[in-house]
Formats: sequence, C-alpha cells, structure tokens
Amino acid sequence: EPEVTQTPSHQVTQMGQEVILRCVPISNHLYFYWYRQILGQKVEFLVSFYNNEISEKSEIFDDQFSVERPDGSNFTLKIRSTKLEDSAMYFCASRYTGGDGYTFGSGTRLTVV
Amino acid sequence: GQQVMQIPQYQHVQEGEDFTTYCNSSTTLSNIQWYKQRPGGHPVFLIQLVKSGEVKKQKRLTFQFGEAKKNSSLHITATQTTDVGTYFCAGPGGTSYGKLTFGQGTILTVHP
Repeated sequence: EPEVTQTPSHQVTQMGQEVILRCVPISNHLYFYWYRQILGQKVEFLVSFYNNEISEKSEIFDDQFSVERPDGSNFTLKIRSTKLEDSAMYFCASRYTGGDGYTFGSGTRLTVV
Repeated sequence: GQQVMQIPQYQHVQEGEDFTTYCNSSTTLSNIQWYKQRPGGHPVFLIQLVKSGEVKKQKRLTFQFGEAKKNSSLHITATQTTDVGTYFCAGPGGTSYGKLTFGQGTILTVHP
C-alpha cells in the first residue's frame, strides 16, 4: 500500500525559529495538502497545492507559512518564525484526483518552546 | 463559512454494544467522507458517500448520507476493542481542489 511519508516525526523548536516540515506524497498523486491538529481538537485545513502552485489557503496560513514542491517528490511546509500557538500535529495529505479520499502521512508533532 | 458538526463528542461502550455518530453540515454537500484516527495516529480514509440517501456497508460499519445531503451517520454493530479511536466526518469546501472541512470527531472508547 503506497504511503505518504513525513519527516521528522517530532520537532522541538525555540519560539521565533524557522522550521521546515517535509513530506513525500504518493508518487502519482496530483493534489497535496497540509492540515494541522492541535491536541484533542479537529483536523484543520491549512493549504492545498496543485499544478505547482497554491490553490487555496485558510486564514491560519498567513505570511509566516509557505509551501514548496522543490522537486518531483518532496512537498515542504515552512514556518518562518514559530509561535507557541503553532504547536500542533501537522499532517501532509495527498490524493490522485480532487474527489478521492485523502491519504494522510503519519504527521510531524511540532512543539514550540 | 461552512461548518461541520458531530455528536456525540465522546462515546463509551462495552464491547459488543452498538455505536452511532452523527454528522451535520451547515450547507448541502456534494459528498461526505469518513475517517478514523487511532490514538496517536493519523486519519485514515474509510469511505466516501455521494448520492442522496446512499447507504454503504463495510463489514460491521454502516454509513448513511441523508436525503438532503446535509447529514450523515456512521453506525458500528457489535463494537470490538479494535474500533477504538476518533471518527471524523469531512465535507468538501466547495472548490475543485479538494479542501475538506472536518467535524470535531467522536471519540469512541470500547471497554472489554
């Protein structure tokens, strides 16, 4: 079964530091997403990415966030200057078409101290 | 904006009892998806419902999509300890790029 791979599994960072969360989506998928889940809460949409550009972003996805697909396999989320409230589980997801179910990665737990 | 609400927030059952979680959207949905998240895990896609009034079964799990396409339910018959986790419904955000709006989830605990 193809998987979405995320690294690292856990990242601890100082407030104000930059972090890059990495994802390798399933190879033939065309739509890529970042979601986050604060402990005990629901899964929240951050951004969708299609055809090498952002297709939609939420209010959470402000100027401190950016996404890149630097090559044919990696998909990254950068948080420029982390805040305490950025502490959450960040999930990458992909799908082949816009109507399929998502395949989520196992997530990166980001802790900002 | 679109809201997706789920009840109950928590459900504790004895093994062998049935379980149902309900999902309601503030807007009509083109489809609804259900995901399961085990404790400490990631959401795993279970199923997608598209047609008004649709009913789909996966072994002990029965999924329904309401006639008005604004509500859905997941029913588990004779729960097992392996059913433990959080069940989320999710509706599309109205774009072709596939953003999903998730409900808050129902946390299911099964006591052996």
